[in-house]
Amino acid sequence: QVQLQESGPGLVKPSETLSLNCTVSGDSINSYYWSWIRQPPGKGLEWIGYIYYSGSTNYNPSLKSRVTISADTSKNQFSLKLSSVTAADTAVYYCARVSSGIDYWGQGTLVTVSS
Amino acid sequence: QSVLTQPPSVSGAPGQRITISCTGSSSNIGAAYDVHWYQQLPGAAPKLLIYGNINRPSGVPDRFSGSKSGTSASLAISGLQAEDEADYYCQSYDSSLSAWVFGGGTKLTVL
Repeated sequence: QVQLQESGPGLVKPSETLSLNCTVSGDSINSYYWSWIRQPPGKGLEWIGYIYYSGSTNYNPSLKSRVTISADTSKNQFSLKLSSVTAADTAVYYCARVSSGIDYWGQGTLVTVSS
Repeated sequence: QSVLTQPPSVSGAPGQRITISCTGSSSNIGAAYDVHWYQQLPGAAPKLLIYGNINRPSGVPDRFSGSKSGTSASLAISGLQAEDEADYYCQSYDSSLSAWVFGGGTKLTVL
């Protein structure tokens, strides 16, 4: 059974960089697409970006200038960095596997941007 | 404003059939990109409900079905049950944005 677990600070100050890790078990990240998706409180889902097993990445154009997604195959983890955060970046952040559709999701982690 | 348009809410009585629409354009659904549907129960992560327009993952009841025509897709739920009360999202790819896109979500209320 594939499982994903997000980890990282739950509170980030404005203008700083949000950093999250996603640890994958039950599958190798050396296949499929691996993605980050977020959901502001009470709002809908927003795709942030993905990393392909080959190492290629693609980001939401609205976030592209601030986002970096990377992978550490030795730890079977992939990571998200979002720079220059503001209150508008407060959201539940999900990591996920993409096969035909987004078929496995982490439980999500709430990141609040506040001083 | 989402690229894929869904009704904000739908409702139905137990046992009834409801549909949720997802309207796109020629750069996403109309360009033959697959549509996927997700169910999000309160306080939980989304769950894949329909993939590739019409396919159900293992374990999803056949009460749930998907369809696609032109620039729109639909999710149908028959034999509505109280446990179906949730938010539902469609998702596809948009070639003009070069991005995966979600609908704004539809809240299903079981009366």
